Amino acid sequence: KNQVEQSPQSLIILEGKNCTLQCNYTVSPFSNLRWYKQDTGRGPVSLTIMTFSENTKSNGRYTATLDADTKQSSLHITASQLSDSASYICVVSADSNYQLIWGAGTKLIIKP
Amino acid sequence: KAGVTQTPRYLIKTRGQQVTLSCSPISGHRSVSWYQQTPGQGLQFLFEYFSETQRNKGNFPGRFSGRQFSNSRSEMNVSTLELGDSALYLCASRGINTEAFFGQGTRLTVV
Repeated sequence: KNQVEQSPQSLIILEGKNCTLQCNYTVSPFSNLRWYKQDTGRGPVSLTIMTFSENTKSNGRYTATLDADTKQSSLHITASQLSDSASYICVVSADSNYQLIWGAGTKLIIKP
Repeated sequence: KAGVTQTPRYLIKTRGQQVTLSCSPISGHRSVSWYQQTPGQGLQFLFEYFSETQRNKGNFPGRFSGRQFSNSRSEMNVSTLELGDSALYLCASRGINTEAFFGQGTRLTVV
């Protein structure tokens, strides 16, 4: 069964600190993996997209990694800001049917 | 280039009623997907339409239905509303090999 699991479910850190969010998937055949940021009450916005051959991709203070062998991805946020408070969702695309398999997300709260 | 537009933004309905939500995708995008998001839950996939045909379907009861028109605009209908249907309903459009772009969502409250 195609599944995407994220951890932790929620995370509270102080402003300026770094954090890492995890995503494990069992989607096959794998097409690509995306990380989305969703502010409360709004639609998700894409942060990064990674294909099978990519190990690391950065977008400003966000760095995503992908290990296609272990089927794990992480999103590292550096020097967190209050505006980083949001849900971060890992989404895996299956090659076979165009469907996106969504993780439940990690709710990140940045405290001043 | 206009983004994904969902209407209405907010809606209050009573149990037993039915509701129709609308989604206008980004110009040129032919894929429209619908998701339900309840407090504390991840996005639950409802269905995806591509060129007026339902291409994928999630595990929702038959009360949830949708359609897509020739201009790619899509509607989602929920009949016989239940309290548990209160949620944020998100629509996403995709072009060929592009990411999903989301609308602002419709917040449905069933009382």
